[in-house]
Amino acid sequence: DIQMTQSPSTLSASVGDRVTITCRASQTISTWLAWYQRKPGKAPQLLIYKASSLESGVPSRFSGSGSGTEFALTISSLQPDDSATYYCQQYNSPSITFGQGTRLEIK
Amino acid sequence: QLQLQESGPGLVKPSETLSLTCTVSGGSVSNTSHYWGWIRQPPGRGLEWIGNIDYSGGTYYNASLKSRISMSVDTSKSHFSLKVSSVTAADTALYYCARLGYCSGGTCYVAPIDSWGQGTLVTVSS
Repeated sequence: DIQMTQSPSTLSASVGDRVTITCRASQTISTWLAWYQRKPGKAPQLLIYKASSLESGVPSRFSGSGSGTEFALTISSLQPDDSATYYCQQYNSPSITFGQGTRLEIK
Repeated sequence: QLQLQESGPGLVKPSETLSLTCTVSGGSVSNTSHYWGWIRQPPGRGLEWIGNIDYSGGTYYNASLKSRISMSVDTSKSHFSLKVSSVTAADTALYYCARLGYCSGGTCYVAPIDSWGQGTLVTVSS
């Protein structure tokens, strides 16, 4: 299986900060990568697909980049509503796998 | 818009079989273009893919769970189901059903997950 490694595992930042979460795949996955936001008591919400495509309805402060094995999710100006856990997921293989998650806290 | 809802017992005894159902609305479980599946999240841990099923009942399971899981689709009731046998405390988790991809020309592909159920917590305990 393709292993996905996210960093950091937790992140604390202030409103207005630029925040970046990274995700590394154990083998190349081209751009078959998605990012999700998950808040307590809710299902994960798709933010980014194909590494850099913004899902409809997602604020433009979210962006994704990368290809091959190195990827990043960036929030350009952190908002209070962005407090959540973020997951990357590869869908290059039918055996989809997720990163372990990054918990983002607002200072 | 697709809506998915999990249902099933919240408490299962060790060694027994966990059974969950996912009811689909706003679309048809027999729609040949949908690829359904299950994902779980144990407490304090990350998301784990369990397996996929297509409209015809074709399945693809996580190798680490394959010996204990089975999935089925019931088009008459517009739902698909998951069974996990011989459960232990390690199977305690929040279980999600989701549309994991699409099917075209007889082949199914995983894709970004844009439709999830709300999740149902299953605890394995005596």
